[in-house]
Amino acid sequence: QIQLVQSGPELKKPGESVKISCKASGYTFTDYAMHWVKQAPGKGLKWMGWINTYTGKPTYADDFKGRFVFSLEASASTANLQISNLKNEDTATYFCARGRQLEYYFDYWGQGVMVTVSS
Amino acid sequence: AIVLNQSPSSIIASQGEKVTITCRASSSISSNYLHWYQQKPGAFPKLVIYSTSYRASGVPSRFSGSGSGTSYSFTISRVEAEDVATYYCQQGSSNPPTFGAGTKLELK
Repeated sequence: QIQLVQSGPELKKPGESVKISCKASGYTFTDYAMHWVKQAPGKGLKWMGWINTYTGKPTYADDFKGRFVFSLEASASTANLQISNLKNEDTATYFCARGRQLEYYFDYWGQGVMVTVSS
Repeated sequence: AIVLNQSPSSIIASQGEKVTITCRASSSISSNYLHWYQQKPGAFPKLVIYSTSYRASGVPSRFSGSGSGTSYSFTISRVEAEDVATYYCQQGSSNPPTFGAGTKLELK
């Protein structure tokens, strides 16, 4: 069955960096895009961008340009999200989600990674 | 960016009741690009309806969707206890993809 399994919760200080992983299984990794979605505590869903799992090319939403990096370990069917220079407002749950690029919806989701930024 | 206005923001319903959520877009969207997700407390979002009216795999028939242009709706024909969740609409018609603010469904 199709699964996206993400890494565990993170507690970081402001200014530090964090790297979150999303391991896919049950399908051909390079056939589908991988998207990233942020959910702040008690808030809604915000699309961060996506990575082309075939070419490795990332695309970032405007609010996520600069400190956010999407990358791949394609041989391991894994997508990564790295956030540098963490700020308090980065405290959130980060989901990876498989994208259906034609109709642009997200059909499978990871369980989410809670990142807490606190001094 | 296309803004999606969901209403109501919360619903309290009895088991067996019919509930409808509306999603209004700030610009017209092709029906192929309007989707609905269910997020249970403490869990990840789950695709329920894609392209306005198609149920995702394994989704019970009590869930349905309809709409066109700027106005879309999501209906649960007979609410069950397991349907307690927050429901989000999402558009993929225009970059960036955006989500509605969510509708929280609780049981009476």
